[in-house]
Amino acid sequence: QKEVEQNSGPLSVPEGAIASLNCTYSDRGSQSFFWYRQYSGKSPELIMFIYSNGDKEDGRFTAQLNKASQYVSLLIRDSQPSDSATYLCAVRGPRGGGFKTIFGAGTRLFVKA
Amino acid sequence: GAVVSQHPSWVICKSGTSVKIECRSLDFQATTMFWYRQFPKQSLMLMATSNEGSKATYEQGVEKDKFLINHASLTLSTLTVTSAHPEDSSFYICSVSRGGSDNEQFFGPGTRLTVL
Repeated sequence: QKEVEQNSGPLSVPEGAIASLNCTYSDRGSQSFFWYRQYSGKSPELIMFIYSNGDKEDGRFTAQLNKASQYVSLLIRDSQPSDSATYLCAVRGPRGGGFKTIFGAGTRLFVKA
Repeated sequence: GAVVSQHPSWVICKSGTSVKIECRSLDFQATTMFWYRQFPKQSLMLMATSNEGSKATYEQGVEKDKFLINHASLTLSTLTVTSAHPEDSSFYICSVSRGGSDNEQFFGPGTRLTVL
């Protein structure tokens, strides 16, 4: 089992729709969870981070964390063609693991105009 | 956030040569920097954690004698790919963290290495 799993996609949604990106992780002791966006040929840029169970909203983005299910998701409301990118889920492990951050393989999102 | 620069942004070299990539933290002193490698359509793979003033910590499977890391100051870490071969062609990205248990990483723009 991979430590951080994401559906590779591509996930295709029409402009204006809600895009839902999912991620599961294997280390129950993980403490911090991040979503990065990576455009083709570019380095990742941080979108959101979440530490506590529940939802965290920032503009059009909402991160959801369920530690019991070891599941974290990212919702993008009113999707725009400029949101088309690969979204990386990252999970930072517990102190015992040296706080190592593990990245998922990413989900490619395509927003159709 | 944090501002991170990398130089060069791309490099093409002949097989057998060595290539040095610089990573600079521009707006704060980074005691820890990370080096990643990313092959096309694959995820980021952590190569090593660079600690200022001490030896880098390499991930399993990463040859420390091939990928030399120097973190001589709080704002600069360098990665040298020694005796590069075509299979070393990849996108190399550094990141910095402000430290602590929860802090996010901020990435440099990356360096595209092509070994002929």
